[in-house]
Amino acid sequence: LAKTTQPISMDSYEGQEVNITCSHNNIATNDYITWYQQFPSQGPRFIIQGYKTKVTNEVASLFIPADRKSSTLSLPRVSLSDTAVYYCLVGDRAAGNKLTFGGGTRVLVKP
Amino acid sequence: GAVVSQHPSWVICKSGTSVKIECRSLDFQATTMFWYRQFPKQSLMLMATSNEGSKATYEQGVEKDKFLINHASLTLSTLTVTSAHPEDSSFYICSATRDLSSYEQYFGPGTRLTVT
Repeated sequence: LAKTTQPISMDSYEGQEVNITCSHNNIATNDYITWYQQFPSQGPRFIIQGYKTKVTNEVASLFIPADRKSSTLSLPRVSLSDTAVYYCLVGDRAAGNKLTFGGGTRVLVKP
Repeated sequence: GAVVSQHPSWVICKSGTSVKIECRSLDFQATTMFWYRQFPKQSLMLMATSNEGSKATYEQGVEKDKFLINHASLTLSTLTVTSAHPEDSSFYICSATRDLSSYEQYFGPGTRLTVT
């Protein structure tokens, strides 16, 4: 499974847009990019998944450049409740659905 | 839909005893469930993959005789920590897949195990 690299932490303020970039230089052709959110003492929650270009849902947007060696999760107008750890995962859907979590990015939203 | 529950949410046990943690998919059938362990301020570490009706597949370094996994039905998987020691204290999280063609996993709320 491709290894991912994310910033350890990021600070932001309420109402701002938060962009978290994940590097995955060894991404394979069949790999998808998935982001999860985790609050303290809770299980992770699926945010968004993409393969290329841009994906948007009601929570976030995911930008993937043509070479797919990185991806950026964009959280619009964050609130205090968006304070969490965000994980970027890369893997083949066919690989038994195994998920390998990297270090994640700890996002702190300040008032 | 796609809710996964865990029981108990927290447990304290004495060193040397065993403790069982249940993972249930409440509104879907899960052919595959996964067990993770997470230490404070660290990421999730996959322990094993549990398939209904077959033996679990353990990740390298995880003792299968210490962490017994049973996936007896399409909605229930259990993790038993045998002869628990203080170093086994951790946050244990399960997840389940509803559809093997989808990469999305649904995670349970986790179980906090403290071994005294």
